Amino acid sequence: DAGVIQSPRHEVTEMGQEVTLRCKPISGHDYLFWYRQTMMRGLELLIYFNNNVPIDDSGMPEDRFSAKMPNASFSTLKIQPSEPRDSAVYFCASSLPSGETQYFGPGTRLLVL
Amino acid sequence: RKEVEQDPGPFNVPEGATVAFNCTYSNSASQSFFWYRQDCRKEPKLLMSVYSSGNEDGRFTAQLNRASQYISLLIRDSKLSDSATYLCVVNSYTGGFKTIFGAGTRLFVKA
Repeated sequence: DAGVIQSPRHEVTEMGQEVTLRCKPISGHDYLFWYRQTMMRGLELLIYFNNNVPIDDSGMPEDRFSAKMPNASFSTLKIQPSEPRDSAVYFCASSLPSGETQYFGPGTRLLVL
Repeated sequence: RKEVEQDPGPFNVPEGATVAFNCTYSNSASQSFFWYRQDCRKEPKLLMSVYSSGNEDGRFTAQLNRASQYISLLIRDSKLSDSATYLCVVNSYTGGFKTIFGAGTRLFVKA
């Protein structure tokens, strides 16, 4: 299996621009998680889906962030408008139906200037 | 107080040393526990699950103490390649699934 796939791997954008991060989970995994990692705050769970349905989005920092999962093999995390404080590494992870062991993608390094 | 806490370190140890990390959690209803390893500029990867009876995988031993609400990771005979950040993960299911990562403990193994 190819593992969790994320794109782009790096993104540099200017403040105010829209940013869309993409994730393809491992086939057969029912859970999908979006995380943000910074030096200051560590790894933070933003939102997770179970069977394509958003279950807990309490970690989404504000209305500028939105996530969708239109089907079992694709999810997006969108930031609109982006701000410099959004600069971080964004990870997507997926897990088997038990929601236990999570497998992470390589991450997207986002820099907002 | 954070729900999951780890000593950030860094721990600097020589090759061959034994090193132990602890991770405390505040939710007594937590049910499953893991240790992940994260190398610099890489994604976290599962190192091992933590079972109530304790478990061992080669040089690595993980233990759970429910009474005191902490998990531990012991690394014996440290290798240079063990240098990484070690993250603990605590899952709970009360009121819905919840997963929390600790901030991580940095380990440097030197020759």
